[in-house]
Amino acid sequence: NAGVTQTPKFQVLKTGQSMTLQCAQDMNHEYMSWYRQDPGMGLRLIHYSVGAGITDQGEVPNGYNVSRSTTEDFPLRLLSAAPSQTSVYFCASSRVSGGYGYTFGSGTRLTVV
Amino acid sequence: AQTVTQSQPEMSVQEAETVTLSCTYDTSESDYYLFWYKQPPSRQMILVIRQEAYKQQNATENRFSVNFQKAAKSFSLKISDSQLGDAAMYFCAYRSGNRDDKIIFGKGTRLHILP
Repeated sequence: NAGVTQTPKFQVLKTGQSMTLQCAQDMNHEYMSWYRQDPGMGLRLIHYSVGAGITDQGEVPNGYNVSRSTTEDFPLRLLSAAPSQTSVYFCASSRVSGGYGYTFGSGTRLTVV
Repeated sequence: AQTVTQSQPEMSVQEAETVTLSCTYDTSESDYYLFWYKQPPSRQMILVIRQEAYKQQNATENRFSVNFQKAAKSFSLKISDSQLGDAAMYFCAYRSGNRDDKIIFGKGTRLHILP
């Protein structure tokens, strides 16, 4: 099925560990983004990309890295996990123009202990 | 900067009744789009309805409709004939008409359906 594939669905990390959350879409969307969702905070933008080779910071970028080597993939790297990064992470994609809504991945629940 | 405000953290409605979720936004732009997303307990984010700012007609999708008041910068969601499956977190969202711009989300309203 076409859409946004996000892996893993669940992950537990120890403080200081690094990991990569994977995101892939097969809709040829130019725009891809990562959000984190915390209780009472809504969805906050971490990083986004408007095309291969182009990335930019969102509202809460510290502690995260991204790259966009292809149109399809947009991985999110946690450099040194901290308990404050315990959250649910969503990858989303869309066309860049035309006011389209996002197509979301199914989310990753990350716990840092 | 644009902001989206949902002033009702939680709401409850009796099954089969009608409920309205409120959303206000702040922008100086004239070209933009507004959305309502539903997030059920499964965590999946589902687009419920989309409104183009330049269209005066309110968007509808089956039992879901919006009341778009552009001058008041208000974008409420009405759910008619509420069903148990409507229980979810609902997010209001804004996207500029500028190319490349991101979507800004409100903090959400959790809707409970009472049987």
